[in-house]
Amino acid sequence: EAAVTQSPRSKVAVTGGKVTLSCHQTNNHDYMYWYRQDTGHGLRLIHYSYVADSTEKGDIPDGYKASRPSQENFSLILELASLSQTAVYFCASRDNPNTEVFFGKGTRLTVV
Amino acid sequence: GEQVEQRPPHLSVREGDSAVITCTYTDPNSYYFFWYKQEPGASLQLLMKVFSSTEINEGQGFTVLLNKKDKRLSLNLTAAHPGDSAAYFCAVSPYGGSGNKLIFGTGTLLSVKP
Repeated sequence: EAAVTQSPRSKVAVTGGKVTLSCHQTNNHDYMYWYRQDTGHGLRLIHYSYVADSTEKGDIPDGYKASRPSQENFSLILELASLSQTAVYFCASRDNPNTEVFFGKGTRLTVV
Repeated sequence: GEQVEQRPPHLSVREGDSAVITCTYTDPNSYYFFWYKQEPGASLQLLMKVFSSTEINEGQGFTVLLNKKDKRLSLNLTAAHPGDSAAYFCAVSPYGGSGNKLIFGTGTLLSVKP
């Protein structure tokens, strides 16, 4: 069973603070993704990566950075958290473009 | 780029009724299609994946239909039961390019009442 682990599972952050969301996969997958879920918007792609040490912008990258230091790890960084970044964040991985995406359990981020 | 529209956003049916959720997409090069189920507070679980060579797929209690001509993907729960209550998302993967992204519909919140 493919495994994608996110940490923390929930977090409260202060406006203007730095937040790092971590993701670890044991699937040996090349592709990793960060999605954001808001009510009424489904999942929207923030950043993704298909090889270590390289990241790509998704559809809504503004206000976020990503880091892929190894095949297993993919982080999402909010340098200056804002109220509008309150959401649930999902990390995901896939083996190749033809296969399903496996999701982590999500991180609920609340910015106050 | 690819856009995926999903309807309806909310659906309430009685146990034993059928429930149909539909997605339309814009990129004719889209090649892989997925349906995911998300129970409250949980992550997304794959229901079914459909490839361009397949028009009808049947799973346990549901059918997925792909109409490439109309660029439409549908999920039909044939006899819904309360355990089917959840959010459902379609997802479309354009062939090649686009960083191999998975584009999601906005979701349908299904409620099945006993």
